[in-house]
Amino acid sequence: KQEVTQIPAALSVPEGENLVLNCSFTDSAIYNLQWFRQDPGKGLTSLLLIQSSQREQTSGRLNASLDKSSGRSTLYIAASQPGDSATYLCAVRGLTGGGNKLTFGTGTQLKVEL
Amino acid sequence: NAGVTQTPKFRVLKTGQSMTLLCAQDMNHEYMYWYRQDPGMGLRLIHYSVGEGTTAKGEVPDGYNVSRLKKQNFLLGLESAAPSQTSVYFCASSPLWGEANQPQHFGDGTRLSIL
Repeated sequence: KQEVTQIPAALSVPEGENLVLNCSFTDSAIYNLQWFRQDPGKGLTSLLLIQSSQREQTSGRLNASLDKSSGRSTLYIAASQPGDSATYLCAVRGLTGGGNKLTFGTGTQLKVEL
Repeated sequence: NAGVTQTPKFRVLKTGQSMTLLCAQDMNHEYMYWYRQDPGMGLRLIHYSVGEGTTAKGEVPDGYNVSRLKKQNFLLGLESAAPSQTSVYFCASSPLWGEANQPQHFGDGTRLSIL
């Protein structure tokens, strides 16, 4: 059974700092890995999706990397801003089973302070 | 374009009561999902549907039923609510085309408390 772990569970940084969020998964047989953002009281918003054949994806100040063989992904946020404060979740889509089913980590709660 | 809309947003039930959560999407997506989110446990898949008239069990289906009579709607039912079903429920949808690499689109959730 796939298990997804995110470390740290919470992180507080000063504005402007570059930071890295970590995600690890136990089964490397995946279609893709996704990073989501969740604001308090809201649903999840997709940030980046990395296909299993890719090594990284970039969107603005966000860069996500994938090392499938070691079961690891990182989300790099450059020049962090208070508006980046949210919970960040990673999820993997396995090769078996239909329906685009995802297995989620428990998230990293990020606070960017002024 | 509303995306994924969940109703109601909040609800308090007594143990043993029944209710239905409604999810509607206007993106013509084939796939729809119901998750629950509990502290320290991440999102867990309850049931999902790969098209109108189809449903399938996810990771934690016990105590829930679903129906997908129309493509745009996915209903989650609790026949006899239990305190263990206190949670935040999220609905999501995703398209069929290129489904293996399409992100899911989420609603804002329904916060359900069972007393």
